[in-house]
Amino acid sequence: EAQVTQNPRYLITVTGKKLTVTCSQNMNHEYMSWYRQDPGLGLRQIYYSMNVEVTDKGDVPEGYKVSRKEKRNFPLILESPSPNQTSLYFCASSRTSGGATNTGELFFGEGSRLTVL
Amino acid sequence: RKEVEQDPGPFNVPEGATVAFNCTYSNSASQSFFWYRQDCRKEPKLLMSVYSSGNEDGRFTAQLNRASQYISLLIRDSKLSDSATYLCVVRSSGSARQLTFGSGTQLTVLP
Repeated sequence: EAQVTQNPRYLITVTGKKLTVTCSQNMNHEYMSWYRQDPGLGLRQIYYSMNVEVTDKGDVPEGYKVSRKEKRNFPLILESPSPNQTSLYFCASSRTSGGATNTGELFFGEGSRLTVL
Repeated sequence: RKEVEQDPGPFNVPEGATVAFNCTYSNSASQSFFWYRQDCRKEPKLLMSVYSSGNEDGRFTAQLNRASQYISLLIRDSKLSDSATYLCVVRSSGSARQLTFGSGTQLTVLP
């Protein structure tokens, strides 16, 4: 089954304790991205990756890191989480077509709800 | 001003009603437009793309007005299962990262 898998789905942690949210897709997609979703603000892009070893900042990258060592995996790292990073996080992937752009159809993981105390 | 703006709702409509959502975008260079659907506590999923000439998919009709920079989604004969949040998504030309999501319009279809 084609899917994007995120782990953990739920996490409560404390300020400053480093954590990683994993994301894996089995569709051989080049493009992967991380979003956070907050009430009233919609989905905001954190980081994205066009392909292996190619990553770039989205709209709200502060406090986050990513890596893309393999095509299927795109982990999101919070080196020193703070309460304002409490949010619902989505990983997404898509194939690319025609060069730099994707098709517009993003396949999302089920989301990871993070609470930072 | 937000790049993509939607009326957050909520829209509460009876089963069988017709309901329409609008979405405005600020970047006139935007090239592609989509509607996504997000069920409560679930991930967003593509509902339909929006083509310049307008397009239909069953009970759903999407339209684009480039001059006024808005897109719309019309749902006819609403079903209980249509209850969800509908996200307007806009992509500008160029960089793949420029998929901008609206904050969504919440729809509840009542029995």
